[in-house]
Amino acid sequence: SQKIEQNSEALNIQEGKTATLTCNYTNYSPAYLQWYRQDPGRGPVFLLLIRENEKEKRKERLKVTFDTTLKQSLFHITASQPADSATYLCALGSGNTGKLIFGQGTTLQVKP
Amino acid sequence: EPEVTQTPSHQVTQMGQEVILRCVPISNHLYFYWYRQILGQKVEFLVSFYNNEISEKSEIFDDQFSVERPDGSNFTLKIRSTKLEDSAMYFCASSEGARGWRVFQETQYFGPGTRLLVL
Repeated sequence: SQKIEQNSEALNIQEGKTATLTCNYTNYSPAYLQWYRQDPGRGPVFLLLIRENEKEKRKERLKVTFDTTLKQSLFHITASQPADSATYLCALGSGNTGKLIFGQGTTLQVKP
Repeated sequence: EPEVTQTPSHQVTQMGQEVILRCVPISNHLYFYWYRQILGQKVEFLVSFYNNEISEKSEIFDDQFSVERPDGSNFTLKIRSTKLEDSAMYFCASSEGARGWRVFQETQYFGPGTRLLVL
């Protein structure tokens, strides 16, 4: 069955450092992959989308890579700030219906 | 900036009762979705809806669930006879849809959620 795995343990880093989050998947060939941010008790907020034919996407301090051979995406936040502390969700999609399959999320804590 | 809204923010109901969760998607969007998230677990897809019909539904979305777009702005999820295990946060989402000849539905914008508690 389709499986998506994200770092299950919380990631603690110092302010100013680069945070790197991992998303691995098996038994799936997504057409695109998205990263969302979720704060406690809130809905996911879209951050970045990368398609299967793209290697890398950037948006301000965010960068995502997508390796369909390794079946892995890496999500980087450079110059991290305490305000970046949240849970980050990886979501995979394909087909025409828009259905997204989510990973369980990685909680990032940026310490000042 | 346009956003997806959901009402109510919290709903408490007795097992066996019917609930209707309401959503107002972003106005020019054509695809609509419901997801749920049980406390501490991952976000799970329930159903996608396009052109006034369900385009895909998950195994969770059984005969107790239904969706409707009763007018040009609202999108509702009905649970006919709630069970304890239906307690979760329910998120509505929408995506843009057609752009020229191609249908885009990738980027989904989520609402703030309705927290449903079944007692």
